[in-house]
Amino acid sequence: AQSVTQPDIHITVSEGASLELRCNYSYGATPYLFWYVQSPGQGLQLLLKYFSGDTLVQGIKGFEAEFKRSQSSFNLRKPSVHWSDAAEYFCAVGSNSGYALNFGKGTSLLVTP
Amino acid sequence: SQTIHQWPATLVQPVGSPLSLECTVEGTSNPNLYWYRQAAGRGLQLLFYSVGIGQISSEVPQNLSASRPQDRQFILSSKKLLLSDSGFYLCAWSLTGAKNSPLHFGNGTRLTVT
Repeated sequence: AQSVTQPDIHITVSEGASLELRCNYSYGATPYLFWYVQSPGQGLQLLLKYFSGDTLVQGIKGFEAEFKRSQSSFNLRKPSVHWSDAAEYFCAVGSNSGYALNFGKGTSLLVTP
Repeated sequence: SQTIHQWPATLVQPVGSPLSLECTVEGTSNPNLYWYRQAAGRGLQLLFYSVGIGQISSEVPQNLSASRPQDRQFILSSKKLLLSDSGFYLCAWSLTGAKNSPLHFGNGTRLTVT
């Protein structure tokens, strides 16, 4: 079954610094990949998605992600982090059923002044 | 535009009591609907999904059940809650007929079983 792994449980960055959150997927063919963000006590908001085509995907809030088949990765990046970016970030991949998504366990981002 | 409503936002229930969480979607027809549970440090676990009225797929054996009595209504239920049912429950929808399309989530229900 398709799955994703987020190796980092917690990440701390300084405000204004660059950010990269890691995501590795397990899937034979080209996967459908997603990044979501969750603020405390809230639902998940879609940041960006990758289905095919250009491997560098732009999302909302200044985020981007790059699909690298050779590394089975779909890392999320942002050039300059703002304090409001502090949240939980989830990587997800399309499932065998074709309907639901399989989520990683999340990476908690802390932004320091 | 499409919106998803989920209620209640928080719920405290004793062990052995019944449960009913409701989710409704507006602005789209025949959406795919989902219930996920989020436990601390464990990511999101898919509980149920539905591609149409009366069509429910269960992903894991458990103490919960789901129903879809109307096109845009999805209900999560239990006859007798267990302590292990505590968690954050999220309803989501996606476009009908579109496999692997993005999910759009409600704001969740925090359930505490005491």
